[in-house]
Amino acid sequence: GQQVMQIPQYQHVQEGEDFTTYCNSSTTLSNIQWYKQRPGGHPVFLIQLVKSGEVKKQKRLTFQFGEAKKNSSLHITATQTTDVGTYFCAGSVGSGSARQLTFGSGTQLTVLP
Amino acid sequence: DSGVTQTPKHLITATGQRVTLRCSPRSGDLSVYWYQQSLDQGLQFLIQYYNGEERAKGNILERFSAQQFPDLHSELNLSSLELGDSALYFCASSVSPWGGNQETQYFGPGTRLLVL
Repeated sequence: GQQVMQIPQYQHVQEGEDFTTYCNSSTTLSNIQWYKQRPGGHPVFLIQLVKSGEVKKQKRLTFQFGEAKKNSSLHITATQTTDVGTYFCAGSVGSGSARQLTFGSGTQLTVLP
Repeated sequence: DSGVTQTPKHLITATGQRVTLRCSPRSGDLSVYWYQQSLDQGLQFLIQYYNGEERAKGNILERFSAQQFPDLHSELNLSSLELGDSALYFCASSVSPWGGNQETQYFGPGTRLLVL
């Protein structure tokens, strides 16, 4: 079945440093979504990318979708302690009744003050 | 607040017991998903329902079952509980399982299950 791999599993950064998490799929994705789960919280939808090569920004967060629609990345510039949490990508593959959203394993970000 | 409600918030039970977790999706959402998250682990997809019908199964144990009712709320039944079943169980809902924004999943606050 479809697999969505996410690396790294853990990342510790000093406040102010940049952070990037990568997501790779074994198959071409229809779209990719990103979610954030704060410690003790539930996953919350951040953004969706649909087009090949698409880049979207949300303040210090930059999301990219690869040209082949098989990979994606989330980059955070100048991390803050409020960025702490686990970031999940979720790739959508297939069509019609076979369409399925598959979550990556997540990257747990720790920001040291 | 995502609009998805889950009850109970916490559940403590003993091995061998059976529990039922309940989820009410966002108003208008027809699809419900169940996930298991163990400590510091990712989201393990269990099962998905769409408009009352089972649509997809993940790594759901035979001891676990679920259903979605006509009013679209869903229940996850866990039986013959083992210590390893202790985890956070999330329910999520979406408008539908396909089509861009319609498949965005909105998660409930989760039910924390502790099996002693």
